[in-house]
Amino acid sequence: GAGVSQSPSNKVTEKGKDVELRCDPISGHTALYWYRQRLGQGLEFLIYFQGNSAPDKSGLPSDRFSAERTGESVSTLTIQRTQQEDSAVYLCASSLRKFTEAFFGQGTRLTVV
Amino acid sequence: AQSVTQPDIHITVSEGASLELRCNYSYGATPYLFWYVQSPGQGLQLLLKYFSGDTLVQGIKGFEAEFKRSQSSFNLRKPSVHWSDAAEYFCAVGDNNNDMRFGAGTRLTVKP
Repeated sequence: GAGVSQSPSNKVTEKGKDVELRCDPISGHTALYWYRQRLGQGLEFLIYFQGNSAPDKSGLPSDRFSAERTGESVSTLTIQRTQQEDSAVYLCASSLRKFTEAFFGQGTRLTVV
Repeated sequence: AQSVTQPDIHITVSEGASLELRCNYSYGATPYLFWYVQSPGQGLQLLLKYFSGDTLVQGIKGFEAEFKRSQSSFNLRKPSVHWSDAAEYFCAVGDNNNDMRFGAGTRLTVKP
């Protein structure tokens, strides 16, 4: 597609279960970002990929969170043993290179019950 | 530590009035500066960006922003606000050593 695609768009999961969120960036974009947006809050940086390398993982909230990226393509954000405080919209963005315009997906709304 | 501050959580202006949204940052190196808008039910859209050169940058939808290094600020302005400008506005900052971080956002309400 022409834009950043995220799936699923909505996910309801039980506390303690693992979830996997997917991001398909725009083809050719080398930089990929994951952010978390809690209800009524700003964007919280999670992780950044340049290619398939993540030079900065400091934004991941805990060791329950992990992310990987295959080449300069799809990325997955995995949350293990989900907690209610993980409920948020998870946004993915990609850009041609670092600090060129970032294009955002529509997000995955995660609800942990 | 790097930080981005948007001091105003919520601003209300009348349609046709001027607008200024504040953004302050704390970065060690020369920053890259962005403003994004998030309309209700929409994704984030880039309004404008500053990398270098003229410190007054023009963006889409009639917005502009001015980089003031001495004040570590990158405030967003619009001379005359339209009802369709009601949205959440996010300032974002990065540099060569760090990733793009966002402020907490400013919600703009436009009164008729």
